[in-house]
Amino acid sequence: KAGVTQTPRYLIKTRGQQVTLSCSPISGHRSVSWYQQTPGQGLQFLFEYFSETQRNKGNFPGRFSGRQFSNSRSEMNVSTLELGDSALYLCASSGTSGGPTDTQYFGPGTRLTVL
Amino acid sequence: AQSVTQLGSHVSVSEGALVLLRCNYSSSVPPYLFWYVQYPNQGLQLLLKYTSAATLVKGINGFEAEFKKSETSFHLTKPSAHMSDAAEYFCAVSNAGGTSYGKLTFGQGTILTVHP
Repeated sequence: KAGVTQTPRYLIKTRGQQVTLSCSPISGHRSVSWYQQTPGQGLQFLFEYFSETQRNKGNFPGRFSGRQFSNSRSEMNVSTLELGDSALYLCASSGTSGGPTDTQYFGPGTRLTVL
Repeated sequence: AQSVTQLGSHVSVSEGALVLLRCNYSSSVPPYLFWYVQYPNQGLQLLLKYTSAATLVKGINGFEAEFKKSETSFHLTKPSAHMSDAAEYFCAVSNAGGTSYGKLTFGQGTILTVHP
């Protein structure tokens, strides 16, 4: 099976712009979670989608949003970019139920740099 | 609320020596615990997980971890380090409940260096 794929791998934007990141989960997986990884804050949970519905959300401002399509592919959007949004954004997919014991399989991430 | 503390942001061992990476958790309900490894410029790869079955969990690449409820710990060990083990390791916790769907709470990570 193909793993989790994320596009693009690298992105450079300027403050005030918006950005959309894409994630394709492992075939058959219905749960997709997003995380932000920075040197200062570590790995932080953004949100989780299951069958096109957001089931859980972390403590991030409303500028961070996401969606999931009927084929389980997911996108996240960050509007009005700030310098502090520079980070590695990781997507993970898990099983058919997305339960707490399911293994999350991570993609390689999208490295976002905000100038 | 749940949290994870990894003791030691950097651990250095010699090749062939024991690897011990420490993880303590805090959770108001029975936890599920995970260890992931991250190599440079890559995503995270699962090493092993504890989901309330056996307390001693064996994972990939010779790693294992023991869940100790009395100590709220889930330390990761490997008897003999290889150069290829050099990476960053993350301990994570999840638990049952609607507010935990798809959410792993991670520790700050431990960078493992292996010397020849």
